[in-house]
Amino acid sequence: AQTVTQSQPEMSVQEAETVTLSCTYDTSESNYYLFWYKQPPSRQMILVIRQEAYKQQNATENRFSVNFQKAAKSFSLKISDSQLGDTAMYFCAFMKLPLMIKAAGNKLTFGGGTRVLVKP
Amino acid sequence: DAGVIQSPRHEVTEMGQEVTLRCKPISGHDYLFWYRQTMMRGLELLIYFNNNVPIDDSGMPEDRFSAKMPNASFSTLKIQPSEPRDSAVYFCASSSRSNRGTGELFFGEGSRLTVL
Repeated sequence: AQTVTQSQPEMSVQEAETVTLSCTYDTSESNYYLFWYKQPPSRQMILVIRQEAYKQQNATENRFSVNFQKAAKSFSLKISDSQLGDTAMYFCAFMKLPLMIKAAGNKLTFGGGTRVLVKP
Repeated sequence: DAGVIQSPRHEVTEMGQEVTLRCKPISGHDYLFWYRQTMMRGLELLIYFNNNVPIDDSGMPEDRFSAKMPNASFSTLKIQPSEPRDSAVYFCASSSRSNRGTGELFFGEGSRLTVL
């Protein structure tokens, strides 16, 4: 079974500054996806960024970027130029890629979350 | 396009009562997931369906919980009888096989259940 660990329960950052959230995972799989989801106070989970394990290049999405270290099983999220709207819970998630397309289930395993507070 | 729609958004009930949570997935999505979120246990997958068929219900806590998907546009999660420890936010999410390349799940806004 896969496990996802987020060791920082809460972080705060000043507006316009950079914050990095850590995530480690444990798996014996070689093909998988990793994700960061954002959960604002409205509760709805929103995909922030994804990384395919077979890609060495780190994913980037506007102000969000990841540092994917496959050997270390580490997947950190960097939020640059933090904005007040970035205040939310952030969840790291793992998805195993099944061998057969028909078995694709997009089943996500989530970490415990990190609460990010952006201060004006 | 409408996203995943869940109802009710909030439910307060008394211990022993039956609770039914509802979900309408995004049209065309063939996977539907029920997650539960609590402070203690975080986000847990309860059950998921593919083409209306339950694929993995190993996360369903006990027999008091049941889920159905009678058609591609509707699913229910029922708790009978409810207990205070069932208090949580229940999320429904859907995805499409075509999302397999992206892995993205689309979540509803959740149903917050409080059992007194």
